[in-house]
Amino acid sequence: DIQMTQSPSTLSASVGDRVTITCRASQSVNSWLAWYQQKPGQAPKLLIYRASSVESGVPSRFSGSGSGTEFTLTISSLQPDDFATYYCQQCSNYPYTFGQGTKLEIK
Amino acid sequence: QVQLVQSGAEVKKPGASVKVSCWASRYSFTSYGISWVRQAPGQGLEWLGWIRTSNGDANYPPKLQGRITMTTDTSTSTAYMELRSLRSDDTALYYCTRIVTGPTGGYLDSWGQGTLVTVSS
Repeated sequence: DIQMTQSPSTLSASVGDRVTITCRASQSVNSWLAWYQQKPGQAPKLLIYRASSVESGVPSRFSGSGSGTEFTLTISSLQPDDFATYYCQQCSNYPYTFGQGTKLEIK
Repeated sequence: QVQLVQSGAEVKKPGASVKVSCWASRYSFTSYGISWVRQAPGQGLEWLGWIRTSNGDANYPPKLQGRITMTTDTSTSTAYMELRSLRSDDTALYYCTRIVTGPTGGYLDSWGQGTLVTVSS
């Protein structure tokens, strides 16, 4: 199985900050990397697919980059609504696997 | 807007089976696959596999092979996930998702509301 490792596991930041979350794969997943946002009591929501494509309706402050084994999710200017847990997932090789999650907290 | 509506919460005893349904609407059901994901209380996300709705072909992770079966009823645009020989560590919130697939991969673009399955004696 491909192991997906996110860092950091927890991130404390303030409104207006620029934040970056990293996701590393144990082997290449080409560009089949997605990012999801999950708020407490809600289902995850797709933010980014194919590593850098922003899902329709997602604010432009969210962006993704990377290919192969290293990927990043960047939020250019944190808004109060962005405090949530973020997961990456590779959908290149079976079984598709998720990172362990990054909890973004208010500083 | 795509809708995925799941069946209600279930409580099962160890060793029993559970079958969760997922009714899809507002899109062409057989044009996309359905994938299932679960989340144990306070934990992360675990992919359970997916089914190609156009022909019923499914792929499951090795750790669940033999215990899980995904099926669909195209006449009602409904997907099902059955998990057998339930154990306490199967207690989780189970999500159905729509999977967009390309020639070499995919991603999950819409999620159901989740179905809580509790396994307890």
